[in-house]
Amino acid sequence: NAGVTQTPKFQVLKTGQSMTLQCAQDMNHNSMYWYRQDPGMGLRLIYYSASEGTTDKGEVPNGYNVSRLNKREFSLRLESAAPSQTSVYFCASSGQAELLGANVLTFGAGSRLTVL
Amino acid sequence: GESVGLHLPTLSVQEGDNSIINCAYSNSASDYFIWYKQESGKGPQFIIDIRSNMDKRQGQRVTVLLNKTVKHLSLQIAATQPGDSAVYFCAETRYGQNFVFGPGTRLSVLP
Repeated sequence: NAGVTQTPKFQVLKTGQSMTLQCAQDMNHNSMYWYRQDPGMGLRLIYYSASEGTTDKGEVPNGYNVSRLNKREFSLRLESAAPSQTSVYFCASSGQAELLGANVLTFGAGSRLTVL
Repeated sequence: GESVGLHLPTLSVQEGDNSIINCAYSNSASDYFIWYKQESGKGPQFIIDIRSNMDKRQGQRVTVLLNKTVKHLSLQIAATQPGDSAVYFCAETRYGQNFVFGPGTRLSVLP
């Protein structure tokens, strides 16, 4: 059971280049999320998808687009990368915690992106 | 002056001692709280959770305390081990949506 899988793990881009981060979960979760993590800061939500076919902006959506391809997959696209988008990106999905019946986020291992 | 966002608070404890990591949350309407552990180069990992109608919850070597009056959450780790060295985040949410994370605390376990 892989959980949440992200690719690539590392990527270096030049300013203005585009790329897509891929994420897939095998836990049959409805909700999926993309966060970014910058040094000394907490995780900030970029976009989320509460269910297949829906996407919504989070706290820091500018410069990003997302696609919820199906229930398993949620991709994050940078159309024209900027140095300010240098960060570690985490995909997550949410499903119920066993004991409290509440939603718990399960994270992927992260994708480290550097924009030069 | 120093920007708080650039430097994580750090807690250093001796191996075998108890650790207490604190978190102030922002929304008095939040109904569910989670502690995550993040080891270097990895994604955050669920440790323990608590609902707003609870004051305390215990797991294996970990206890979470919730004080809604002052919007404060703490994580206690008993008999801290080297493998506990990591960054610890609290997260709050309402209705299981829009998780908001704290900046994190780095726990360093000294031999």
